[in-house]
Order: sequence, then structure tokens, then C-alpha cells
Amino acid sequence: GQNIDQPTEMTATEGAIVQINCTYQTSGFNGLFWYQQHAGEAPTFLSYNVLDGLEEKGRFSSFLSRSKGYSYLLLKELQMKDSASYLCAVRDRGNKLVFGAGTILRVKS
Amino acid sequence: GAVVSQHPSRVICKSGTSVKIECRSLDFQATTMFWYRQFPKQSLMLMATSNEGSKATYEQGVEKDKFLINHASLTLSTLTVTSAHPEDSSFYICSARGLAGASYEQYFGPGTRLTVT
Repeated sequence: GQNIDQPTEMTATEGAIVQINCTYQTSGFNGLFWYQQHAGEAPTFLSYNVLDGLEEKGRFSSFLSRSKGYSYLLLKELQMKDSASYLCAVRDRGNKLVFGAGTILRVKS
Repeated sequence: GAVVSQHPSRVICKSGTSVKIECRSLDFQATTMFWYRQFPKQSLMLMATSNEGSKATYEQGVEKDKFLINHASLTLSTLTVTSAHPEDSSFYICSARGLAGASYEQYFGPGTRLTVT
């Protein structure tokens, strides 16, 4: 079966760095995505990894290790507006996105 | 960037009635559209995948006669929830992939909140 695991909730302080981990077991692998979702809204694209290594995009970075079935999203210089749910998703052999349950990040001042 | 719209954003209907949700790609041609459902505090669950001009492919456990999907053009897909029941109340999100941006990207609509009373 398909399985994507990520922590349910995390709390961090404004200005700090937080790392959200994701492990996956899927039928095939055609890339890993991170999305941000605010309550009641649709997900917005943050990052995409298909090869091993780190992808950096401003305050957000995403890392992938295909051999370990592992990824993380790193958020730097946290802002209050970063409080949201972060979804890890894998595109499987059938080119469908399989989502994890999401990690609710709370940023406190 | 590529924009996907959904209409309506919220709908309340009575049990037993049908509701149609529209999903449009505004500035690109969507060769493939996806319909997801999300219950509170849960992740997105794929319901079906549709390619323009062909029948939708439904995920296991999703009733194709209850959730009718039509992808009649490269910019429009519709989801009709037939004979709605309170347990169909959920957040429905469409997503599109096609001739826009990077080939791997999938663009999400703003979602439709369905409440069945």
C-alpha cells in the first residue's frame, strides 16, 4: 500500500528555523512535493524534488533521499504567516499525487 | 502563474438533491484534471482523475454513479454529487495539470465547501 508519514503538529518561535520531516513508501516514485495549506483554502505549491539533494527557494528548502524514502522541508526566519498545514505528497508510478496527512505548524511570537 | 478556479466556493443543499461543482483552468489548457476530497483535519484524498474527452478513472471506494465527472473541454471539468447525503459534506478541491509552467506542476483550485443538511 501507499504510506506517507509526517508529524501531526509542530510549534516554533517567530524568527527560528523549523524542519518538517516526511517518510514515504509508495508504488513507484516520480517526485516529491511540499504544499502549504491555510485552513479552508486550497494547497499552494512550495517545492519539488525528484533527485537526491537540497533544493533552496528563499526561506524554504526541501531535501530528498530516495534510498531512505525521506524528505524534509526547512523553513527559516519563521514568520507568523507561516502558521499553516504543510503537506508532503509523492507522485507515484501512475503519476498520481498521494498526500500525507499534513503537519500543522504553529508559529508563536 | 497558472490559475484554476472553482465555482461555487460554498454550497448548502438538502439531502437527496444534486450539486454541480465547476473547475476551470483560466489561462492554460488542462489535459488532466483531478478531484480531491478533504475532511476536517485530514489530508486530500484523490477521488478521480479525468482526461479531456475520455471517461474519468475513479479511485477504489469512490462510487462513480454518485460522483459524476465530466471533462468536456481542455478548460472545464465538472463534478456532480448526486443524491447528496450529510456524509458527503466535505471540502472538494480540483487540480489541473497541462500545458502550463513546469511539466511536473499541478495547480489547485480554491476548493468548494459542500454542506448537506
